[in-house]
Amino acid sequence: TQLLEQSPQFLSIQEGENLTVYCNSSSVFSSLQWYRQEPGEGPVLLVTVVTGGEVKKLKRLTFQFGDARKDSSLHITAAQPGDTGLYLCAGLYSGGGADGLTFGKGTHLIIQP
Amino acid sequence: DTEVTQTPKHLVMGMTNKKSLKCEQHMGHRAMYWYKQKAKKPPELMFVYSYEKLSINESVPSRFSPECPNSSLLNLHLHALQPEDSALYLCASSQGGQTYNEQFFGPGTRLTVL
Repeated sequence: TQLLEQSPQFLSIQEGENLTVYCNSSSVFSSLQWYRQEPGEGPVLLVTVVTGGEVKKLKRLTFQFGDARKDSSLHITAAQPGDTGLYLCAGLYSGGGADGLTFGKGTHLIIQP
Repeated sequence: DTEVTQTPKHLVMGMTNKKSLKCEQHMGHRAMYWYKQKAKKPPELMFVYSYEKLSINESVPSRFSPECPNSSLLNLHLHALQPEDSALYLCASSQGGQTYNEQFFGPGTRLTVL
């Protein structure tokens, strides 16, 4: 069974602070995706990383894929209350095709105004 | 159009009822998925259809029966469910056949079994 460790599970910080969420595995991913989910809604895809060492930016969010493609991080700069939500990393371990994603447990993020 | 739609949004059913969840996408994707998500937990894979054929069944009880009538539609037929089956049921789709596999999710169906 492939495991995807995500940390922290819960994080409550003040508006304007920075934060980092981590996603780690002992296995190599063929790709890794980050999603954000609001209560009662489906996950919304934020980014997909594929290449080891890849860095992608989405406004104040920076996503990094480890060189060995076993880990990833999400860094949020100057967090805002609108960033509140559940952040999920999800990995694809196989070589491609239609395979289900393995999700981390998620990070429940609360940004206090 | 990057949208996956699901109906109904909410469903309440008794343990003896038969109901169906529906999912539709018009992105030309050839792979479709059902996930189950309990409160404050991540989604868990149930079924994968690839090119309209069932390719993965994650040991899901037979009271859940998936169906893929065509490449745009995915159904989940429900029969004799238990209260512990109450959850958010998510449908997703992806291109399929790629070295990476971006999945796009629908808004989900909130199922309550009484």
